[in-house]
Amino acid sequence: GENVEQHPSTLSVQEGDSAVIKCTYSDSASNYFPWYKQELGKRPQLIIDIRSNVGEKKDQRIAVTLNKTAKHFSLHITETQPEDSAVYFCAARFNQAGTALIFGKGTTLSVSS
Amino acid sequence: KAGVTQTPRYLIKTRGQQVTLSCSPISGHRSVSWYQQTPGQGLQFLFEYFSETQRNKGNFPGRFSGRQFSNSRSEMNVSTLELGDSALYLCASSLAGRGTGETQYFGPGTRLLVL
Repeated sequence: GENVEQHPSTLSVQEGDSAVIKCTYSDSASNYFPWYKQELGKRPQLIIDIRSNVGEKKDQRIAVTLNKTAKHFSLHITETQPEDSAVYFCAARFNQAGTALIFGKGTTLSVSS
Repeated sequence: KAGVTQTPRYLIKTRGQQVTLSCSPISGHRSVSWYQQTPGQGLQFLFEYFSETQRNKGNFPGRFSGRQFSNSRSEMNVSTLELGDSALYLCASSLAGRGTGETQYFGPGTRLLVL
């Protein structure tokens, strides 16, 4: 089955810096890769996703890139702000028969002002 | 539209007991997936239901089971509870179609503590 590895597990940056989180997946048939943000005590919220027919997608300060050949995808956050502090999870579909997700272990991002 | 809801929000049980958790998906969503979240293991996939049928299953023992009703509401059951079952149980719903229908929306979770 699908397996997703995520690095780093913790990331500390200064406000205004950029943050990059990287994930690799194992199933070459995977075609959908969402990123979720989970603030303390809250539910995971989708922040951006990318499909395998696209190499990059941007939404304001957030971007995701996908390298299908290397089977890895990355989340880029520019001009970080204290409210970006949270746990970020990357994911891939469990299989193509459903919408269930396999998640990376998460990255705790801390943005200090 | 109302979001995904889960009941109860908090639960305390003792070892050996069983528990049933409930999830109501967003109106119109036909797929419900369940996840277990713990500090050490992160978010782990339990199972997915679509049109009252289990479509996918993660790597959990048979003590974990679920079902889905005709209105897409889902329940999961854990029998013979163990201390290690203490976790936040999240459900997520999706339209279950291809393309944008695959986006999963999470409920607030049920926090289970096993003593």
